[in-house]
Amino acid sequence: SQQGEEDPQALSIQEGENATMNCSYKTSINNLQWYRQNSGRGLVHLILIRSNEREKHSGRLRVTLDTSKKSSSLLITASRAADTASYFCATVRRGGGADGLTFGKGTHLIIQP
Amino acid sequence: DAGVTQSPTHLIKTRGQQVTLRCSPKSGHDTVSWYQQALGQGPQFIFQYYEEEERQRGNFPDRFSGHQFPNYSSELNVNALLLGDSALYLCASSFVRDTQYFGPGTRLTVL
Repeated sequence: SQQGEEDPQALSIQEGENATMNCSYKTSINNLQWYRQNSGRGLVHLILIRSNEREKHSGRLRVTLDTSKKSSSLLITASRAADTASYFCATVRRGGGADGLTFGKGTHLIIQP
Repeated sequence: DAGVTQSPTHLIKTRGQQVTLRCSPKSGHDTVSWYQQALGQGPQFIFQYYEEEERQRGNFPDRFSGHQFPNYSSELNVNALLLGDSALYLCASSFVRDTQYFGPGTRLTVL
């Protein structure tokens, strides 16, 4: 079953604008990760934020984590056409014996030129 | 340095048949995880292999089984295929419990 839920399910913006996606999850986590998937192909790892971190940056990406609300957000600044893809959050459950990822259903982002 | 590779790229089977999918991890990685992604859904965790043993399993029936070889490569086997097994099967590798890197996937169609 899916643990996380991304919001919105789909987002269409103009090139150059900022895109914000949200993710909620249900259990205590060790870390939360964001992945990108182009046209049903393999997933590309974007960023990992640990449960004791509140914000992390990587290039045009900014991720926040609020463990009290069990939520995270991914901000993509100055969007480009190449950012068109599906974005998934994935969590690793705290206390698990291994680190199988639990994914949400994803946000489909369309960047219009 | 080659990333995670999977074979075959596409596969068509009929109900009741058996299928084997293969995965070669990224160089230096010792852990392999398998995921099933139905159309329009997020990936779902099937199981994870480390040191040739299944370390963790998701909510999948025993028809799904796997194996990890001494060179860390892995196979996913699915017996008695159902129409609902049609999906993209993704393999991911990692070093111990570090970031998982995904392969391009195998698209399985069950007719």
